Amino acid sequence: TQLLEQSPQFLSIQEGENLTVYCNSSSVFSSLQWYRQEPGEGPVLLVTVVTGGEVKKLKRLTFQFGDARKDSSLHITAAQPGDTGLYLCAGGTDKLIFGTGTRLQVFP
Amino acid sequence: GAGVSQSPSNKVTEKGKDVELRCDPISGHTALYWYRQSLGQGLEFLIYFQGNSAPDKSGLPSDRFSAERTGGSVSTLTIQRTQQEDSAVYLCASSLEAGRRPLHFGNGTRLTVT
Repeated sequence: TQLLEQSPQFLSIQEGENLTVYCNSSSVFSSLQWYRQEPGEGPVLLVTVVTGGEVKKLKRLTFQFGDARKDSSLHITAAQPGDTGLYLCAGGTDKLIFGTGTRLQVFP
Repeated sequence: GAGVSQSPSNKVTEKGKDVELRCDPISGHTALYWYRQSLGQGLEFLIYFQGNSAPDKSGLPSDRFSAERTGGSVSTLTIQRTQQEDSAVYLCASSLEAGRRPLHFGNGTRLTVT
């Protein structure tokens, strides 16, 4: 069974701080995705990483896929209140498995 | 439609009653997924459909849960004899086909069993 563990589970920071969220598994994934979910809505895709060691940037968000394709990280630079939400990593082939989630709260 | 539509958005039911949750995927999407999310945690996979068939039902928590999809479009998730532990947000998603990304999610049905 493929499992994705995220850490930390909760993160509460001030505007302007940097943070990193981790997504780890003992299984190899052909690709991993990161989604963000806001209250009352479904998750929305942020990025897909496919190649081991790959780094992708989306404005202030930097995503990295581990060399062995078992883990990924999300780094946010100079967090803003608009970054508040639940961040989820996900992987799998036909069936997409989601991680345990990291709830981020950014205070002004 | 423009996006995945789920109904109802909220459902309160008494313990022991049956409930039906509906999902209308994006037109042309052949794959449809059901997930359950408790207390804003991660998503628990329930079942997915490719067309009208469900290759993987491994996530259904018990035989009280069932799902069907007809005409390769609308899907219904049925929970019989609801229990309080069934209270959660039930999310539906669709994609062009199984294995194709991304998944497009609806806003979910919040189920409360009293």
